[in-house]
Amino acid sequence: KNQVEQSPQSLIILEGKNCTLQCNYTVSPFSNLRWYKQDTGRGPVSLTIMTFSENTKSNGRYTATLDADTKQSSLHITASQLSDSASYICVVTSGTYKYIFGTGTRLKVLA
Amino acid sequence: DARVTQTPRDKVTEMGQEVTMRCQPILGHNTVFWYRQTMMQGLELLAYFRNRAPLDDSGMPKDRFSAEMPDATLATLKIQPSEPRDSAVYFCASGFEGLAGEQFFGPGTRLTVL
Repeated sequence: KNQVEQSPQSLIILEGKNCTLQCNYTVSPFSNLRWYKQDTGRGPVSLTIMTFSENTKSNGRYTATLDADTKQSSLHITASQLSDSASYICVVTSGTYKYIFGTGTRLKVLA
Repeated sequence: DARVTQTPRDKVTEMGQEVTMRCQPILGHNTVFWYRQTMMQGLELLAYFRNRAPLDDSGMPKDRFSAEMPDATLATLKIQPSEPRDSAVYFCASGFEGLAGEQFFGPGTRLTVL
């Protein structure tokens, strides 16, 4: 069964600290993996996308990694800001349009 | 600034009533998705259109839900009759088909069925 699992479910950190969110998947066939950021009351917004051959991708303070052998991805946030408070969703694409969503990690950044 | 728009943003209705949600995809995009999001389930795909043709609606309860694209600028999701368990946020997303096709999400419609 195609599945995407994220951990932790929720996380609280202090402003300025770094954090890492995890995504494990069992999806076949694998096309690509995306990380989305979803602010409260808004739709998800894409942060990064990685294909099978890519193992790291950065977008500002966000760095995603992909290990296709172990089927794991991580999203690292550097020097967190209050505006990073959001849900982060890992999505794996299987084939052309089958999108398998994780349930997300809720991040809260405190001043 | 191209973006997906959805109306209404909020809808409160009583059980048994018909609900219609509308979505205007980004001009030029050829794929449209409808999702439902709840706290317990996360994002669930309800329907997928490519070039206005429905390709996958396996995630949608067929007896009460229907999705259409009457033209390239409008997608609709209808629930008839609505039930309290339909309460959720419904997102529309559009994009280009392809292996790296990114989806652009609308702001969502928050539906509450009493």
